[in-house]
Amino acid sequence: SYELTQPPSVSVSPGQTARITCSGDALPKKYAYWYQQKSGQAPVLVIHEDTKRPSGIPERFSGSSSGTMATLTISGAQVEDEADYYCYSADSSGNLWVFGGGTKLTVL
Amino acid sequence: EVQLVESGGGFVKPGGSLRLSCAASGFTFSNAWMSWVRQAPGKGLEWIGRIRSKSDGGTTDYAAPVKGRFTISRDDSKNTLYLQMSSLKLEDTAVYYCTTGTVGLYWGQGTLVTVSS
Repeated sequence: SYELTQPPSVSVSPGQTARITCSGDALPKKYAYWYQQKSGQAPVLVIHEDTKRPSGIPERFSGSSSGTMATLTISGAQVEDEADYYCYSADSSGNLWVFGGGTKLTVL
Repeated sequence: EVQLVESGGGFVKPGGSLRLSCAASGFTFSNAWMSWVRQAPGKGLEWIGRIRSKSDGGTTDYAAPVKGRFTISRDDSKNTLYLQMSSLKLEDTAVYYCTTGTVGLYWGQGTLVTVSS
């Protein structure tokens, strides 16, 4: 079965840049998507199609992808960005989708 | 405003069945692909499956852990998405979310399913 691998945790100080990676064999051919989930809330899409930001998502959130790794970057992370972040993508067939295991971002 | 409201969660014994519903509004449901995602307590998100719009064939795809046990269906006349779950296992305990599309821009608030003896 297909897997996306993320680091379990990332920690930065307020104002620093946070980078969360996601690796998967199909990422060279499939888009990566990123969700933010705060405690007790439903996930929110923050990046789609590797690099695009949905309406209402702050500009400090950006995405990139190269080879088998996609990266979510939060430039100038703020305390309110503390959350779990999940990457999401499809396997090579495009019919099976998976989430990464999630990365807990701590900003303090 | 897009709204997704899940219902039907509750307690069920291992081996039992349950049907979840997701009432949709604020968009043209019949044109939308829809998905189910779950989250076990304290764990990460897990894609369960999706259903295409009828105009795109109405076909379904499922994740391996639920294939053959779960069935996704839709009633476009009622703007409602369903998840029929059977042969439930302890590890199916989770909050179940419905989402729009395969990449969920909109999510419901979730409904909790607890499988326990």
